[in-house]
Amino acid sequence: GNSVTQMEGPVTLSEEAFLTINCTYTATGYPSLFWYVQYPGEGLQLLLKATKADDKGSNKGFEATYRKETTSFHLEKGSVQVSDSAVYFCALRGSQGNLIFGKGTKLSVKP
Amino acid sequence: GAGVSQSPRYKVAKRGQDVALRCDPISGHVSLFWYQQALGQGPEFLTYFQNEAQLDKSGLPSDRFFAERPEGSVSTLKIQRTQQEDSAVYLCASSLARLAGEYEQYFGPGTRLTVT
Repeated sequence: GNSVTQMEGPVTLSEEAFLTINCTYTATGYPSLFWYVQYPGEGLQLLLKATKADDKGSNKGFEATYRKETTSFHLEKGSVQVSDSAVYFCALRGSQGNLIFGKGTKLSVKP
Repeated sequence: GAGVSQSPRYKVAKRGQDVALRCDPISGHVSLFWYQQALGQGPEFLTYFQNEAQLDKSGLPSDRFFAERPEGSVSTLKIQRTQQEDSAVYLCASSLARLAGEYEQYFGPGTRLTVT
């Protein structure tokens, strides 16, 4: 069945450091891929998405590229800020439109 | 406009009690999803509605879980005879999509259920 695996957290970085959160997926076909973010005390928000192979999703300085060869959708940001501290979830869209999530990666950015 | 709202935000239930969790989707959104998020885990799909029709309930963990959306708007997730393993955050999401398309799902803040 469809599944998502993302790197275990927590991840602690200093401000302006480079961020990578790895995500790989198992799926039938080529589903749309997503990164969602959950800031402390807030609900899940869509961060970025990619709908087909080689697409790059980007938002707020974050990027992720849909790689079908490696079945990956790694999240990157060149220079993190304290305000990026949150839990990040990688997800794919299932056949009914439901989202299948990874376990989440908690990011803490220190000043 | 208003986003997805859920009530109550927090619910404490004694083991064996019944609970009802409410979701108000964004007006005009056709699709509605319920997810369960255990502590430290990602959300897991429970059930899906398109208007008032429940098209997929494969994620409901047992027959103690029941969801409805009688008028194609507000939805209620009911859990009967709650057990400790039901403790989780229950998330509702809505979407414009009529089919399994590419529209964004908008999530509510969730209801945190604690069963004691």
